[in-house]
Amino acid sequence: EADIYQTPRYLVIGTGKKITLECSQTMGHDKMYWYQQDPGMELHLIHYSYGVNSTEKGDLSSESTVSRIRTEHFPLTLESARPSHTSQYLCASRSRVDGYTFGSGTRLTVV
Amino acid sequence: AQSVSQHNHHVILSEAASLELGCNYSYGGTVNLFWYVQYPGQHLQLLLKYFSGDPLVKGIKGFEAEFIKSKFSFNLRKPSVQWSDTAEYFCAVVQSGVTGGGNKLTFGTGTQLKVEL
Repeated sequence: EADIYQTPRYLVIGTGKKITLECSQTMGHDKMYWYQQDPGMELHLIHYSYGVNSTEKGDLSSESTVSRIRTEHFPLTLESARPSHTSQYLCASRSRVDGYTFGSGTRLTVV
Repeated sequence: AQSVSQHNHHVILSEAASLELGCNYSYGGTVNLFWYVQYPGQHLQLLLKYFSGDPLVKGIKGFEAEFIKSKFSFNLRKPSVQWSDTAEYFCAVVQSGVTGGGNKLTFGTGTQLKVEL
C-alpha cells in the first residue's frame, strides 16, 4: 500500500543532541513537506521540497534543516536540540492525483 | 481508519454566486475539523477550524463552516464569492484529545474552485 512513513514515532532526547527525523514515501511524489503541529491543532509549515535537490524554508521559522537527495526520502535534522523544539513533526507528500498524504508524525520531547 | 470525502472535485462559479463545498468524514469519535485553502503558487493556509462549541464557525475572508455531527459533515460556505477566491480547498480531520503520535491528520482530496468574472 502506497503511504508515507515517519520514524521514530516518539523521541525523548537531551538538550544539545543532534537528531534526524526520517520521512519516506513510496508514491513517487515530487512535493514533500514538513509541518509542526501541536496534537489536534493546525499545521505550521517549516520546510518544503518540490523535487530532488530542491528545499525551501516554510512560513514558520525553524532551526532545523532538510535534505532531498532522493525523491522518496526527506529527512529533517536538528543539529542541537532545545526544549523549545518540543513538538509534533508531520511529514507530507502531495500529487495532483492523490492530494496530500500525511505521515503519522514524530512526537519529539527535548528535556 | 478515518477518511475524509470531498464530493466536488471541480467547481466553477461566477462572481457573487454563493458557495458550498461538501466535506464528510468517517470516524465515530470526537474530532477536530479544518478547512485549508491553497491559492495558486502558495502553500496551505488555514481558513477556519472547529474544536468544540458553536457548530457554526467563522473563518477568514468571509468563509464559514457548519459542523453537523449527525451527518459527519463540515461543509464550507461563502455567501458571495470573489475572483480572488479561486484556489484549491481542503477539508481535514484529526482525532481530538489524543496526545502523542496517535492522531493521524487526514486530508480530503481537495476541491478546485474557479471563480469567473
